Amino acid sequence: EAQVTQNPRYLITVTGKKLTVTCSQNMNHEYMSWYRQDPGLGLRQIYYSMNVEVTDKGDVPEGYKVSRKEKRNFPLILESPSPNQTSLYFCASSLRQYSTDTQYFGPGTRLTVL
Amino acid sequence: RKEVEQDPGPFNVPEGATVAFNCTYSNSASQSFFWYRQDCRKEPKLLMSVYSSGNEDGRFTAQLNRASQYISLLIRDSKLSDSATYLCVVNTLTDKLIFGTGTRLQVFP
Repeated sequence: EAQVTQNPRYLITVTGKKLTVTCSQNMNHEYMSWYRQDPGLGLRQIYYSMNVEVTDKGDVPEGYKVSRKEKRNFPLILESPSPNQTSLYFCASSLRQYSTDTQYFGPGTRLTVL
Repeated sequence: RKEVEQDPGPFNVPEGATVAFNCTYSNSASQSFFWYRQDCRKEPKLLMSVYSSGNEDGRFTAQLNRASQYISLLIRDSKLSDSATYLCVVNTLTDKLIFGTGTRLQVFP
């Protein structure tokens, strides 16, 4: 089944404790991205990657890191999480980087930083 | 002004009703328009693209008005299963996607 998977789905952590949210897609998509969704603000892009070893900042990259060592995986790293990073996170992938390509989203990771 | 604006709702409608949502966008150069559906606490999924001439998919009709810079979504014969949040999505000059905050629809029996 074609899908985007994320882990963990739910995470409660404390300020400053490094964490990684994994994202994997099995559709051989070139383009992957991370979004956060907050009430009243909609989905905002954190980072994106057009292909292996190519990553770039989205609209709200502060406090996050990413890597793209393999085509299928695009982990999101929070080196020192803070309470303002409490949010619902979605990983997404599409065949290419063009806006006309359908975005496929993972199921989401609900993160709470205390 | 936000790049993409939607009425947050909720729109509460009975089964069988027709309901329409509008979404305005600020960038007149935008070329790609979409409606995504998001069920409560789940991931967004593409509902339909919006084409210049308007397009229909079953009970759903999408329209684009470039002069007034808005897109619309019309749902006919609403079903309980249509209850969800509908996200308006528009591309930017750099071909990135901007998501609206969504319009919540609640269909009741």
